[in-house]
Amino acid sequence: ETGVTQSPTHLIKTRGQQVTLRCSSQSGHNTVSWYQQALGQGPQFIFQYYREEENGRGNFPPRFSGLQFPNYSSELNVNALELDDSALYLCASSRTSASYEQYFGPGTRLTVT
Amino acid sequence: AQSVTQLGSHVSVSEGALVLLRCNYSSSVPPYLFWYVQYPNQGLQLLLKYTTGATLVKGINGFEAEFKKSETSFHLTKPSAHMSDAAEYFCAVTPTGTASKLTFGTGTRLQVTL
Repeated sequence: ETGVTQSPTHLIKTRGQQVTLRCSSQSGHNTVSWYQQALGQGPQFIFQYYREEENGRGNFPPRFSGLQFPNYSSELNVNALELDDSALYLCASSRTSASYEQYFGPGTRLTVT
Repeated sequence: AQSVTQLGSHVSVSEGALVLLRCNYSSSVPPYLFWYVQYPNQGLQLLLKYTTGATLVKGINGFEAEFKKSETSFHLTKPSAHMSDAAEYFCAVTPTGTASKLTFGTGTRLQVTL
């Protein structure tokens, strides 16, 4: 059983640019959640996708957007990057949106300069 | 709304000593509670969870936690620390029925010394 994978591992962008982060969910899982973990902080919920639809959103501006594909993989897009967007972005998959157990990927480290 | 407070951003214990990591939560509805561990440059791994039933829950690697509603606490313990336990530990809460939308605490870094 393949776990949650994320790409790329590291990324450096310039303020104002756009970035796309990718996540492949664990086999059999139809729900993907994205979290932002700033340095020294706990992860913060960005949004969740269930069966290709957004299923809840945290306190993040609209320039954070996402997609989920028919194979349940997902993308996180961030437009107009700001310095404060520098963080570890974690993707987690779960069997359904009501599942208590989430399986996290290793994350993508985004640095905005 | 829900929130989590983890007392102590850094905890240091000797190998073989008791590990106690504190977590208090606030939730307007009955919560589900979780502890996750994060090793350097890795994602989060679920240690244990409380949903319903027995308030003392056992997890992986010898960790356990007790849900105390009256104290709104969910402290993590391990009787004997091992060097491999050194990591960052996060407590998380979610309201019943929204299991995948976790609210995390700020984390506690556990250091284990010889």
